[in-house]
Amino acid sequence: NAGVMQNPRHLVRRRGQEARLRCSPMKGHSHVYWYRQLPEEGLKFMVYLQKENIIDESGMPKERFSAEFPKEGPSILRIQQVVRGDSAAYFCASSPSVGDEAFFGQGTRLTVV
Amino acid sequence: AQSVTQPDIHITVSEGASLELRCNYSYGATPYLFWYVQSPGQGLQLLLKYFSGDTLVQGIKGFEAEFKRSQSSFNLRKPSVHWSDAAEYFCAVGPFTGGGNKLTFGTGTQLKVEL
Repeated sequence: NAGVMQNPRHLVRRRGQEARLRCSPMKGHSHVYWYRQLPEEGLKFMVYLQKENIIDESGMPKERFSAEFPKEGPSILRIQQVVRGDSAAYFCASSPSVGDEAFFGQGTRLTVV
Repeated sequence: AQSVTQPDIHITVSEGASLELRCNYSYGATPYLFWYVQSPGQGLQLLLKYFSGDTLVQGIKGFEAEFKRSQSSFNLRKPSVHWSDAAEYFCAVGPFTGGGNKLTFGTGTQLKVEL
């Protein structure tokens, strides 16, 4: 059983471009969580999704950021019109249910130049 | 609002020495507490967790942690550190036993092991 797969591992975008980060949860996991780790900081919760539904997006910036978890395919975290402050590591985790242990992926390191 | 404080940003220990990483939390309800380890370029791996019962919990790789409600602490310990333990360690608190959703993380402690 493969772990949580995130791609790309590294992503470089120029200011104003769009960034798309993908997360494939572990087999049998229908709950996905996204976190952002800014330099020198701990991880900060962004959003919690279940298949086709956003359950909790209280940690998402109000503008430019969106997330989805379609019925088929990976979860996508989309950042429009990226700015330098978006440079961070973005981690995805998944679990079978909200009370079960969540497993983290290796993260996508976004650099905005 | 919940918060987690890891007062030590960097710690260096000699291989074979004992280790204690500090974690203090502030949480309005019954906390579920976690320790994760992050090796360079890797994702986070759960070392152990606490949500009830015995206040001393055992985890993987020989780690243990003790929950002290009176001190709002959940310190991580290992009796004898191995060079492969060099990594960054994160303490976290959340509302669910499995973690995942709405975890609040500390800023991490970078552990260096001297041979």
